[in-house]
Amino acid sequence: AQSVTQPDIHITVSEGASLELRCNYSYGATPYLFWYVQSPGQGLQLLLKYFSGDTLVQGIKGFEAEFKRSQSSFNLRKPSVHWSDAAEYFCAQSGGSYIPTFGRGTSLIVHP
Amino acid sequence: SQTIHQWPATLVQPVGSPLSLECTVEGTSNPNLYWYRQAAGRGLQLLFYSVGIGQISSEVPQNLSASRPQDRQFILSSKKLLLSDSGFYLCAWASGTGVDTQYFGPGTRLTVL
Repeated sequence: AQSVTQPDIHITVSEGASLELRCNYSYGATPYLFWYVQSPGQGLQLLLKYFSGDTLVQGIKGFEAEFKRSQSSFNLRKPSVHWSDAAEYFCAQSGGSYIPTFGRGTSLIVHP
Repeated sequence: SQTIHQWPATLVQPVGSPLSLECTVEGTSNPNLYWYRQAAGRGLQLLFYSVGIGQISSEVPQNLSASRPQDRQFILSSKKLLLSDSGFYLCAWASGTGVDTQYFGPGTRLTVL
């Protein structure tokens, strides 16, 4: 069965510091990978996605993610975090079915 | 452009009462539709998905049901709510297969007392 692991339940960073959120997937072939962000009390919004091609993908709000097949990872990064980035972040994969698999989410806390 | 609506935004219901949550999508045809639930501090739990009118697949057996009476309308229902039904309910749509991006509605906060 497909699975997505986000090993960090909470991440705390200072405003202006760099950020990396980890995501590991399990799928035999090349998966389709997504990062979503959820602000409190709201729906999820797509940050970026990887289908094929360049393994470093750029997203909205200054985020990027790198697909590493050898490590089965798709980590999300941002060079300088803003207070407004505080939210829940979800990694997801799709193996070509109607049903994507989501990780449990990582809660980002930003200290001033 | 496509938009997705959910209502109500907030709902407080007594245990044993019925439930009806509605989701509608505009600006696309024949979308795949999904209902998710988020319990406090938990991830997303897929409840139902639909690939067409009248076609509903259930992922988790429970006292909830879903219907798709029109192409762009998805309804989540219950005849008798349980305390454990409390949570944040999200509707989402996607086009084509699951390789496509899912677009989420604003959600409904349900509290069962």
